[in-house]
Amino acid sequence: GESVGLHLPTLSVQEGDNSIINCAYSNSASDYFIWYKQESGKGPQFIIDIRSNMDKRQGQRVTVLLNKTVKHLSLQIAATQPGDSAVYFCAEKNNQGGKLIFGQGTELSVKP
Amino acid sequence: EAQVTQNPRYLITVTGKKLTVTCSQNMNHEYMSWYRQDPGLGLRQIYYSMNVEVTDKGDVPEGYKVSRKEKRNFPLILESPSPNQTSLYFCASSLGAGVYEQYFGPGTRLTVT
Repeated sequence: GESVGLHLPTLSVQEGDNSIINCAYSNSASDYFIWYKQESGKGPQFIIDIRSNMDKRQGQRVTVLLNKTVKHLSLQIAATQPGDSAVYFCAEKNNQGGKLIFGQGTELSVKP
Repeated sequence: EAQVTQNPRYLITVTGKKLTVTCSQNMNHEYMSWYRQDPGLGLRQIYYSMNVEVTDKGDVPEGYKVSRKEKRNFPLILESPSPNQTSLYFCASSLGAGVYEQYFGPGTRLTVT
């Protein structure tokens, strides 16, 4: 069935290093992908999105890469800061419908 | 301030006692959705609504009802709550069902004993 999953449940990085969080998806009909950040006690917060007609999109300190050939999505965070510590979710949807499917999440821990 | 609000934020109830969790957004968004979040399972979509009077099932709709009588409100109804509905619930909204950012509420922690 449809699934969105993450390769690593936890990731620990040193402050200032770059972080890479990976996500695999299985529904080839998905054409819109989103990364969310969830801090403890809060709702998910949008970070960046990418449509299936793109393979890379950059934001402020974040980059999302999409490889449709292997159905893989990644989030790169440059110069990771303690405030980046959170759980990160990838999500996918089909542009024709409203159903959004989330991955299980990766917990990012930034060591000072 | 543009936001999604949920009430209550915390609720402890007993099996079988009907409850409603309200959700309201002030951004004139057409699309609204409910999710539940459980450890190890991530966020799973319960129901969503593309517009007033239009609702659809998500991945885990059993045991839940929703209504969308007005654009701003999207209440989640548990007619007969059971312990397996103990979870953290989030409401979200976006401009539309397509490639639009979803804004999430602060969450409602529900415990059913």
